[in-house]
Amino acid sequence: KAGVTQTPRYLIKTRGQQVTLSCSPISGHRSVSWYQQTPGQGLQFLFEYFSETQRNKGNFPGRFSGRQFSNSRSEMNVSTLELGDSALYLCASSSRLAGMSYNEQFFGPGTRLTVL
Amino acid sequence: SQQGEEDPQALSIQEGENATMNCSYKTSINNLQWYRQNSGRGLVHLILIRSNEREKHSGRLRVTLDTSKKSSSLLITASRAADTASYFCATAYRNNAGNMLTFGGGTRLMVKP
Repeated sequence: KAGVTQTPRYLIKTRGQQVTLSCSPISGHRSVSWYQQTPGQGLQFLFEYFSETQRNKGNFPGRFSGRQFSNSRSEMNVSTLELGDSALYLCASSSRLAGMSYNEQFFGPGTRLTVL
Repeated sequence: SQQGEEDPQALSIQEGENATMNCSYKTSINNLQWYRQNSGRGLVHLILIRSNEREKHSGRLRVTLDTSKKSSSLLITASRAADTASYFCATAYRNNAGNMLTFGGGTRLMVKP
């Protein structure tokens, strides 16, 4: 099985711009979660999508949004970028079913976003 | 504050030695997972231990879970330079918002050849 893929791998944007990141989960996985990783805050949960519905959301401002398509591919969008949004954005998929506890997460390589 | 906290934050050992990392958490959990992350890359799942399990092995990895102390430890035996990475524990639990998975701050392990 192919692993989780994320595009692009690297991105440089300027403050005020918006960005869209893409994630393709492992075939058959319907749960896709997004995380932000920074040296100061560590690994923080952004949101989870399951069957095109957002199931969980972390403590991030509304500038961070996402969606999931019928083929389970997911995108996350950050609008009005701030310097503090510079981070490694990780996507993870799992075979978890709605209502069940989190099991093994399969992570993609991440998208390194730099905001200038 | 985070559900899981690793200790120590950094660990440096010689190749062949054992490495032990600890994770403490605050609320009741369904399971606890350990992940490895090589510099700037995605996380790789190592092992999952359920709340009703006390010990689990996978190759050179040994994980213990003490639910009474709300703590877990990851032991890597006979370490190799390739084990150099950051190690994270993640706790799966349920709260009013539903099922959650929260990662700790990680332990940076350096294995010197």
